Amino acid sequence: EVQLVESGGDLVKPGGSLRLSCAASGFAFSDYSISWVRQAPGKGLEWVSSISRASTYIHYADSVKGRFNISRDDARNSLYLQMNSLRAEDTAVYYCARSPIIGTRWFDPWGQGTLVTVSA
Amino acid sequence: EIVMTQSPATLSVSPGERATLSCRASQRVGSNLAWYQQKPGQPPRLLIYDASVRATGIPARFSGSGSGTEFTLTISSLQSEDFAVYFCQQYDQWPPWTFGQGTKVEIK
Repeated sequence: EVQLVESGGDLVKPGGSLRLSCAASGFAFSDYSISWVRQAPGKGLEWVSSISRASTYIHYADSVKGRFNISRDDARNSLYLQMNSLRAEDTAVYYCARSPIIGTRWFDPWGQGTLVTVSA
Repeated sequence: EIVMTQSPATLSVSPGERATLSCRASQRVGSNLAWYQQKPGQPPRLLIYDASVRATGIPARFSGSGSGTEFTLTISSLQSEDFAVYFCQQYDQWPPWTFGQGTKVEIK
């Protein structure tokens, strides 16, 4: 079974840092692009960042560019999101999601998400 | 950036009735569009990709149509488990990959 499990969400003060992790299983992790998508409480979905196989292509939303860093460890079947200079507007559930083997297109499946709360 | 606009924001439908959800793109996206269903406390689930292709395990009562800038998700006969929020997403021009704001399908 293809599975993605996020962890690392927490309550953090504005300006603080946090590292999210996404553990993958049930598929050849190194072959796929993986993304982070977030959802603020009661709001819609916002794409945050994507990383292709072999980390060849990395993209960020303008709202997080320069503050967030996506990386992957194919030996550990894991995806990471280093989040720095956090702001209140970064408060959201963060999902990791796989794309089809052809590259980042649609997202399927999604993990259950991890909650990041940025508040003083 | 391509802006995706969904309508209506809320759709009230009786069980067994047909539901029609719309998604409009600010620029042409070909058929590079996906639909997702999200229930409270759960992650989104892929329903449709390439505008009209059902994802694995999705019931035939879900169908997608459209191309260019206008897209439709139709649920032919609403079941109790279909009451949820539905999002569209384009993957034609990226980054960013962009989502609509969602349509909530509620029980009438």
